[in-house]
Amino acid sequence: AQKITQTQPGMFVQEKEAVTLDCTYDTSDPSYGLFWYKQPSSGEMIFLIYQGSYDQQNATEGRYSLNFQKARKSANLVISASQLGDSAMYFCAMRAANTGGFKTIFGAGTRLFVKA
Amino acid sequence: DSGVTQTPKHLITATGQRVTLRCSPRSGDLSVYWYQQSLDQGLQFLIHYYNGEERAKGNILERFSAQQFPDLHSELNLSSLELGDSALYFCASSVSAESSGNTIYFGEGSWLTVV
Repeated sequence: AQKITQTQPGMFVQEKEAVTLDCTYDTSDPSYGLFWYKQPSSGEMIFLIYQGSYDQQNATEGRYSLNFQKARKSANLVISASQLGDSAMYFCAMRAANTGGFKTIFGAGTRLFVKA
Repeated sequence: DSGVTQTPKHLITATGQRVTLRCSPRSGDLSVYWYQQSLDQGLQFLIHYYNGEERAKGNILERFSAQQFPDLHSELNLSSLELGDSALYFCASSVSAESSGNTIYFGEGSWLTVV
């Protein structure tokens, strides 16, 4: 069965410091995609970054990078130089083939608090 | 702005009633997905349509139904509403259906409160 696990319900980080949000996944499909989304208090879901299972290099998008360790089945999000506006809920997601087609499933999320 | 448009943004209705949530996908996207986000269940996949056809079903109740129209907009119909149906309902869209690298983009969601 496919599964996404985010073990950190909440995280605190000091402004301007880096923070790592953990995500582990499980799938038997060799082809899959890993995604991170940000959900601020206003509610919208904002796509941040994508990593394909066959990508050799870790994905980066501005201050976001994805630490992809395939053997350990982990896809941690690293946010560098945290800003107050980074305070939000962060969701890790995986898209893989499933019975009946591709599905994108989400972890339970990690709430990040950035302190001034 | 993701380009996915959802209406209404907020909705309050009584138990037993029926509501329709509407979604317009990003320009060029053929796939539409519906998700439900509640406090106790997290983000749950409900259903996926691609170019008018149902492609995958998740944890969608029989009281709920959806469709995607020829112009690619989609509607999620929720009937015989219960208090537990109160949630944030997201529509999302993507270009294709069958790819692991298919990023889905979310609308701002429709907040449904059942009283």
